[in-house]
Amino acid sequence: QQQVKQSPQSLIVQKGGISIINCAYENTAFDYFPWYQQFPGKGPALLIAIRPDVSEKKEGRFTISFNKSAKQFSLHIMDSQPGDSATYFCAALLGAGANNLFFGTGTRLTVIP
Amino acid sequence: KAGVTQTPRYLIKTRGQQVTLSCSPISGHRSVSWYQQTPGQGLQFLFEYFSETQRNKGNFPGRFSGRQFSNSRSEMNVSTLELGDSALYLCASSPPGPTYTFGSGTRLTVV
Repeated sequence: QQQVKQSPQSLIVQKGGISIINCAYENTAFDYFPWYQQFPGKGPALLIAIRPDVSEKKEGRFTISFNKSAKQFSLHIMDSQPGDSATYFCAALLGAGANNLFFGTGTRLTVIP
Repeated sequence: KAGVTQTPRYLIKTRGQQVTLSCSPISGHRSVSWYQQTPGQGLQFLFEYFSETQRNKGNFPGRFSGRQFSNSRSEMNVSTLELGDSALYLCASSPPGPTYTFGSGTRLTVV
């Protein structure tokens, strides 16, 4: 049973465009939602994260939008660049001392020049 | 600041053998978690250690085990290897708080 559902599975965007990746969850006990970026041969790297008491967080070209009532959150990559081509994972962490991340299935982003 | 170091990077083992993977966390990080990454199942949590104690365990059979040493370095062991254990095994360390830093992983191939 996938605790965090992610879409789309793959995404192709032109350079300069906006990349949007969506995630949904069911467990309302999740209280931390990070996004990770993974390049081939490397481990996931933390990109940006949000808590459910905030509706939006922006860091440079990366923005998380969070909709607590809908139990959905999304990653927006503005002005997408070829160097952004990677696999992106959303994740969720239970509160109350739990320390295991539940990951989405990943989105392979390709930014074409 | 050195990152999370995992050794070895690649490993080929035969079915039925056992394997030990090593993880050195970022200096000062006391929490170490292990994840399995496969194309079919994605990233799945194996277990987490803090101050030499297993705090949390995922849904994996008992063939998967781990430990943490007093210097926070961690090892995971898989006994009686199966073909389905072929995966990228990732270690992540964190300070107090949920900011996990992952290593580059150990690619295990079981033949």
